[in-house]
Amino acid sequence: AQKVTQAQTEISVVEKEDVTLDCVYETRDTTYYLFWYKQPPSGELVFLIRRNSFDEQNEISGRYSWNFQKSTSSFNFTITASQVVDSAVYFCALSGFNDYKLSFGAGTTVTVRA
Amino acid sequence: GAVVSQHPSWVICKSGTSVKIECRSLDFQATTMFWYRQFPKQSLMLMATSNEGSKATYEQGVEKDKFLINHASLTLSTLTVTSAHPEDSSFYICSAPASGRAPETQYFGPGTRLLVL
Repeated sequence: AQKVTQAQTEISVVEKEDVTLDCVYETRDTTYYLFWYKQPPSGELVFLIRRNSFDEQNEISGRYSWNFQKSTSSFNFTITASQVVDSAVYFCALSGFNDYKLSFGAGTTVTVRA
Repeated sequence: GAVVSQHPSWVICKSGTSVKIECRSLDFQATTMFWYRQFPKQSLMLMATSNEGSKATYEQGVEKDKFLINHASLTLSTLTVTSAHPEDSSFYICSAPASGRAPETQYFGPGTRLLVL
């Protein structure tokens, strides 16, 4: 069974502050994918980033970066210099390597105040 | 890029009626599609896997006789909520991985909000 835990329910920051979202996962699979999605008030899911379980290199993409640590089963996500448009619910998700089914965390609501 | 559409985007119906939601892949073929349900302020939960040309597979706890899924073509899956009740009010989202592409290439529809009165 797969499980994704996002312990933070809500985060509120002032514009230009950095925001780090925590994600811890459980899986019996040896290979898997991890994702972060953004869901603005419109409801449509927006794909942000994806990581393979066999590649722990952390990267930066624009204002987004992630910290994948397999040893602690964590996949944290950071928004640098937050903007009001970043206000949304952010979901961490997990899928098997050959399986498209996604297990989502509970989501973290991020509010960025001007 | 690939696009998945859903129709309708909003539906309000009376209790006891049936509601059909369509999920279409617009520029790619999808042998598999997934249906998720999201209650207000909650996470997305996988309901079922829609398989083109065969029966859908349902997640534990999802009533297959209540949520009928038909995947009649490579670009269309439909979810019918039969005899809808207020507790079925939710946000329904479909997704489709593009056949032949990497697993991470999965496209979500914009969702359908169902309100049962």
